[in-house]
Amino acid sequence: GENVEQHPSTLSVQEGDSAVIKCTYSDSASNYFPWYKQELGKRPQLIIDIRSNVGEKKDQRIAVTLNKTAKHFSLHITETQPEDSAVYFCAASRDWIASKIIFGSGTRLSIRP
Amino acid sequence: GAVVSQHPSRVICKSGTSVKIECRSLDFQATTMFWYRQFPKQSLMLMATSNEGSKATYEQGVEKDKFLINHASLTLSTLTVTSAHPEDSSFYICSAPGLAGGNQETQYFGPGTRLLVL
Repeated sequence: GENVEQHPSTLSVQEGDSAVIKCTYSDSASNYFPWYKQELGKRPQLIIDIRSNVGEKKDQRIAVTLNKTAKHFSLHITETQPEDSAVYFCAASRDWIASKIIFGSGTRLSIRP
Repeated sequence: GAVVSQHPSRVICKSGTSVKIECRSLDFQATTMFWYRQFPKQSLMLMATSNEGSKATYEQGVEKDKFLINHASLTLSTLTVTSAHPEDSSFYICSAPGLAGGNQETQYFGPGTRLLVL
């Protein structure tokens, strides 16, 4: 079945440094890859997404890259700030509107002051 | 932008009782909604796909007779946990695909319902 693997499970970086989270997916029909940030007890918030016709997408300090051949995609956060501390989930779906989203296991990111 | 609400936000019930959770799309119509369950420090696990006007599609391992889903209108899906037991205690989240301002096409999540079964 569909599976999304995410690494690392925990990540601690110095404030101002970069953080990278990596994911792989198994369903070759996946073509929509959202990333979510979740704070304790709250709903996941979409921070960036990428579709399979694009290899890279950037939004201010956040960027995502996608390698469809290798079925890898990654989240890059630059110039990290204390408010970036949260749990981040990658996910994969066959399309954004009608298909289920399969989540990775999550990465707990901590930013050290 | 697209908004999804859930009610209640928190519920405590006795073992053996049933609990209904509502998921509403407030400013858009959703023929499909999704129900997830999240245990502490774990990921969101898809339970079922709710389809307006037809039966829900359940993921492998999810008991359809225990987790009843009704999608009676284009803006409302309900999840009923029947004969709840302590192991059903979890954070239940729904989602619906929609369009936000600027035509951002994605799925929008409800705020979640925390269920505690005593």
